[in-house]
This record gives sequence, C-alpha cells and structure tokens, in this order.
Amino acid sequence: TQLLEQSPQFLSIQEGENLTVYCNSSSVFSSLQWYRQEPGEGPVLLVTVVTGGEVKKLKRLTFQFGDARKDSSLHITAAQPGDTGLYLCAGADYKLSFGAGTTVTVRA
Amino acid sequence: ETGVTQTPRHLVMGMTNKKSLKCEQHLGHNAMYWYKQSAKKPLELMFVYSLEERVENNSVPSRFSPECPNSSHLFLHLHTLQPEDSALYLCASSQENVGISTGELFFGEGSRLTVL
Repeated sequence: TQLLEQSPQFLSIQEGENLTVYCNSSSVFSSLQWYRQEPGEGPVLLVTVVTGGEVKKLKRLTFQFGDARKDSSLHITAAQPGDTGLYLCAGADYKLSFGAGTTVTVRA
Repeated sequence: ETGVTQTPRHLVMGMTNKKSLKCEQHLGHNAMYWYKQSAKKPLELMFVYSLEERVENNSVPSRFSPECPNSSHLFLHLHTLQPEDSALYLCASSQENVGISTGELFFGEGSRLTVL
C-alpha cells in the first residue's frame, strides 16, 4: 500500500485545456512538495505547501494543500506542451515519502 | 542545470560486474541521497548521508554499497546485481539542520542502469 496515492496515473490532453492531478493520503504531513520530471531528467521542485488550506500559484499552476494536510492538488490552466512530464508529490513527516506520479502529456 | 551532476548517465552491466555510480553537488548542501526510480513505483529512498555520515539505510541489499568521502561527493558501488535492479538511480542533495531530510531536494539527471 502506497503512503501517497496519485491520480490519475496518466493524463493526455490537448494544448489549451485545463487539468487537475491529485495526491491523497491517510497520513498527515507537515508539508507537501510537488516536483516535475521531464523525460531523461531528474525531478525538479515546483512548490512546497506547508499550511492546511494553503493555495500557491506559479504562473498557470495552482497548488492546494488540504485543510487536514492529508491531500493536495495541482491544477494547470491552459496547458502547454512544455507542461509535459511526470508530476510527483512528496509528503514530509519525519522523512519524505513520494507518490508514484502522474504522467501528463500535452498535445500540440 | 540543478547543481547536482551524476555519471555515468547510462550503464549496462552483467550480473558479475563491479561498477560505480558517481554524484557531485556544487550547492554547498550538507545532505546527499540515493533514490531508486522504477516504472510505476514511488521513488524509493536507498541511502541518506548527513554531514558525511550515513543516517539511513532503507533495508537495501548489500550488493549496493554507498560511499560519501566528503559533503560534495557520493558514490554507489554496485556488485553482483540482479536484472530486477535495472532502474534509474537518482542522486539528490539538500540543506538540512538536523536528522533525516524533509527539506527540498535537488536531484541530478540520474544514471539509467541496465543489468543483463
């Protein structure tokens, strides 16, 4: 059983569409991180959310941390081909635990 | 360029070979990590070094042997691996104050290992 469940596993959309990926757990985390990994590269940190209910925006990306600090979502508005990649969430308690990721493909 | 460099990027080895993966970080961080990434599975933490001391070994088989000679360099020595060890091995670094990392990780590009 994975500590962090990410859904969907795969997502393919057309350029300009919106998308949301989810990261859920039964555990409470002190903070949660989102990373993006492009093909052939290592993961790169996008954002860290710390406070329950927190919303952070990074250009077209909106990250939300659940009120109970057990779940998070990532919403991308008007997706572009450059958004293609594997999106990973990682929850922190006494260590970091990663989800299996959501593979996002944005078609031109 | 994340400031963490891994070599080699690709490695093919037989089950009886001995090889090593190398990681170097130029960020002045005090903690370094080895992760294993397999398809459709979460990143698996293998080893953590904080201030050059190993602070975690997540029940990794002894055919994987880490070495951290200083705070900027990390090695993973490989010996008599199995085909199921084929994966992307990621090195990461972070700046930590105490204990096991929950801080933000800076990853290298990974070493793609294939065991025949």
